[in-house]
Amino acid sequence: DTGVSQDPRHKITKRGQNVTFRCDPISEHNRLYWYRQTLGQGPEFLTYFQNEAQLEKSRLLSDRFSAERPKGSFSTLEIQRTEQGDSAMYLCASSFETTYNEQFFGPGTRLTVL
Amino acid sequence: GQQLNQSPQSMFIQEGEDVSMNCTSSSIFNTWLWYKQDPGEGPVLLIALYKAGELTSNGRLTAQFGITRKDSFLNISASIPSDVGIYFCSGGSNYKLTFGKGTLLTVNP
Repeated sequence: DTGVSQDPRHKITKRGQNVTFRCDPISEHNRLYWYRQTLGQGPEFLTYFQNEAQLEKSRLLSDRFSAERPKGSFSTLEIQRTEQGDSAMYLCASSFETTYNEQFFGPGTRLTVL
Repeated sequence: GQQLNQSPQSMFIQEGEDVSMNCTSSSIFNTWLWYKQDPGEGPVLLIALYKAGELTSNGRLTAQFGITRKDSFLNISASIPSDVGIYFCSGGSNYKLTFGKGTLLTVNP
């Protein structure tokens, strides 16, 4: 399967713990995006990378959130000191730079903070 | 911030019926896209539209990019049970997609 993959698919953690999610984009894509989706809502943009450079961050991305894409391939999203409000589906997407709006999504990581 | 108004919120139809849903925005977008999401999965791209007035089909799906660049609609013809899911419209700018709240489609066989 050459689509976007995410790991883990589900994560349950206690409030205050740190969690890290991984995204492997489609290999030919140089843009990678993170979105967050809560129940009954569409995905909301968090941040994106072009190759290894993080070019834009949403105001939704508080200082407890950090994303990296060190070699321009896979990316990680870390949440420190998790709060119950962080419970959501975290979606990763990737695209070519030239057709940047045709974003292909992974299956998501469902985070539950107890 | 930008907001997309998607309607209807939900639809219950019989297999074989046609379906129409639409999306409006207060802002102009460069691109309109339609995605479908199944429970517990990520959205799947159905159709992408790049020009105002553009009408594009993908099998039984047809979508249009509104002339004002502030709206789009999606039609599904001859619905089948596997069309069940949540359909999202999305407006694209330079780097991010802005999504509507989705239309939940239920198809009764």
